[in-house]
Amino acid sequence: AQSVAQPEDQVNVAEGNPLTVKCTYSVSGNPYLFWYVQYPNRGLQFLLKYITGDNLVKGSYGFEAEFNKSQTSFHLKKPSALVSDSALYFCAVRDLNTDKLIFGTGTRLQVFP
Amino acid sequence: DAGVIQSPRHEVTEMGQEVTLRCKPISGHNSLFWYRQTMMRGLELLIYFNNNVPIDDSGMPEDRFSAKMPNASFSTLKIQPSEPRDSAVYFCASSTQGRDNSPLHFGNGTRLTVT
Repeated sequence: AQSVAQPEDQVNVAEGNPLTVKCTYSVSGNPYLFWYVQYPNRGLQFLLKYITGDNLVKGSYGFEAEFNKSQTSFHLKKPSALVSDSALYFCAVRDLNTDKLIFGTGTRLQVFP
Repeated sequence: DAGVIQSPRHEVTEMGQEVTLRCKPISGHNSLFWYRQTMMRGLELLIYFNNNVPIDDSGMPEDRFSAKMPNASFSTLKIQPSEPRDSAVYFCASSTQGRDNSPLHFGNGTRLTVT
């Protein structure tokens, strides 16, 4: 079965510093991977996806993610964090057998001024 | 584009009462998903529709839960009778045809509290 794991419940970073939110995946076949962000009292918003091609994927709000097949990882990154980036971040993988989107448990990002 | 619209935003009800959550997907989207979010279980897919037809309802927890999509612009999730353990935030999401990896667009959710 397809799955993703987000090993960190929370990530703290100072404003202006680079940030990384980790995600590892387990799939049979080619992975279709996604990152979503959830702000308080809001639904999830799509940030970026990896389907095929360049391992570095650029998305909304200056975020990018690096697909690493050998490490089965798809970490979310941003060169310079903003306080407004503080939110809950979800990694997800599409299960090609069921066509469902399987979400990780989420990582809370806290950016301090 | 108004996005996915859910109503009500908040619902407080007593155990045993019927609860109906509503969703209007984005126009032109033909896939619709109902998710439930809790601290304990995270995000759970309850059911999803494609072209108004339920494709997979294996995530629906019990027979007390039912969902309908009578047309392309409206869906309901009903809980009857409701129980305190149903308290959660329920999200509706829509997208274009499922297998093209188009992103899901989520509504802002309905926070359900069952006392």
